[in-house]
Amino acid sequence: QVQLQESGPGLVKPSGTLSLTCAVSGGSISSSNWWSWVRQPPGKGLEWIGEIYHSGSTNYNPSLKSRVTISVDKSKNQFSLKLSSVTAADTAVYYCARAKDVAVASPFDYWGQGTLVTVSS
Amino acid sequence: DIQMTQSPSSLSASVGDRVTITCRASQSISSYLNWYQQKPGKAPKLLIYAASSLQSGVPSRFSGSGSGTDFTLTISSLQPEDFATYYCQQSYSTPRFGPGTKVDIK
Repeated sequence: QVQLQESGPGLVKPSGTLSLTCAVSGGSISSSNWWSWVRQPPGKGLEWIGEIYHSGSTNYNPSLKSRVTISVDKSKNQFSLKLSSVTAADTAVYYCARAKDVAVASPFDYWGQGTLVTVSS
Repeated sequence: DIQMTQSPSSLSASVGDRVTITCRASQSISSYLNWYQQKPGKAPKLLIYAASSLQSGVPSRFSGSGSGTDFTLTISSLQPEDFATYYCQQSYSTPRFGPGTKVDIK
């Protein structure tokens, strides 16, 4: 059973950089799956941020692309998110998720529990 | 950029009711449509993928249909544990979720 666990600071100052890590257990990050970040502002809907494959290939949401970097650390079986120049609008619960398979258009079948990141001074 | 809409935005239903939620894409997405259930404080859970395929472990009272731009999620007999918010998600292009449909107790 694959498990994902997000970790990182719960509070980030405006204009700073949000940094989160997703640890994968019960499976290998080098498996045939893409690994994603999804966020949800309090009381609102879900927004896909981007994804990474174990090779290092990435795809980002065009609306966030200029501020997002996703990286992978195969030795630690984890992947990470960096979001720069944050504002209060970036306050959200951040989830990491696994795509069901390597095919394009694969749905998200495993999710982390989510971590709330608040942007405030 | 493909936009997703859902209707209704919320509904009230009773245990045992048949519930149908509709999702519409702003352009054709073939069958690249997934459905998730989310309960308060929890991560979304995949119910249906590729418009009509039931995810492993999901009860058979959940079903999905549609293709192109119009899709439906049906719960054949609503159970107490089904009160939640439901999201559709297109995976034809940049993944995008619908705004959600909240199902609560009548």
